Amino acid sequence: QLQLQESGPGLVKPSETLSLTCSVSGGSITNSDYYWGWIRQPPGKGLEWIASMSYSGTTYYSPSLKSRVTISVDTSKNQFSLKLTSVTASDTAVYYCASLVGGGWYWFDYWGQGTLVTVSS
Amino acid sequence: SYVLTQPPSVSVAPGQTARITCGGNNIGSKSVHWYQQKPGLAPVLLIYFDYDRPSRIPERFSGSSSGNTATLTISRVEADDEADYYCQVWDSNSDQSVFGGGTKLTVL
Repeated sequence: QLQLQESGPGLVKPSETLSLTCSVSGGSITNSDYYWGWIRQPPGKGLEWIASMSYSGTTYYSPSLKSRVTISVDTSKNQFSLKLTSVTASDTAVYYCASLVGGGWYWFDYWGQGTLVTVSS
Repeated sequence: SYVLTQPPSVSVAPGQTARITCGGNNIGSKSVHWYQQKPGLAPVLLIYFDYDRPSRIPERFSGSSSGNTATLTISRVEADDEADYYCQVWDSNSDQSVFGGGTKLTVL
C-alpha cells in the first residue's frame, strides 16, 4: 500500500513562501489511477482541500487559494510539492498530503501523517 | 461553490447506533466519502462511493445517500469510535473537493 510523508519547514515568516514536499513510497507517482493532493487543517478546525493534480499535469485548485498556490510533481524523485505564497497567520495549519482515486468521484485513500506549519515572525 | 453541512456534535451510548448526517444540494447525485479522524492523527478513509468500505474498516460502519442528505451509520458503537467524522465530495461542476465541517462523536 502507498505511504506518504510530508517534509518541509515547520516555521515560515509572514509574507514568505511555504514549501512542502510529499514523498511517495509503495507505488509510483506515475500510476495513472492516482491523483495527488494537499489538504490542511488549522488548529482546532476542520479539513480544507488545497489542491490536487495528476502526474501528467492536470491540476485543480481551491478557488480561495488558487492565486497563491502551486502544486507540482517530480517523477524522478517520486514526490509532489506544494508552494503557498504570501503566507499570513491564517495559513498556520497541519498540512497533509494524500493520494486520490475515483475516476471523477475522487476520494483520499492514503494520507501522510501531516506536518504542522506555523506562520510567525 | 458546493457546501456540505454536518452537525457539530453527536452523542451516543456504547452499544447504540450513531447516525451522522451530511447535507448538500442534491447530494444524492454525487458520490460521498467519509473519514474518521482521532486527535493528533491523520484522517482515515471509512466509506467511499456512498457506501463502500475499505477492507480494513469494520462492517459496523456503513453509509447511505439520497436526496439532500448522506448518512454515516455506526452500529454497536464502541468507546474507540469517539472521533471527528468528515464527509467529502468531488464537485465535478467546479472540479474541486469539498469537505463538510466535521462532526465530533462523543461516546457517553
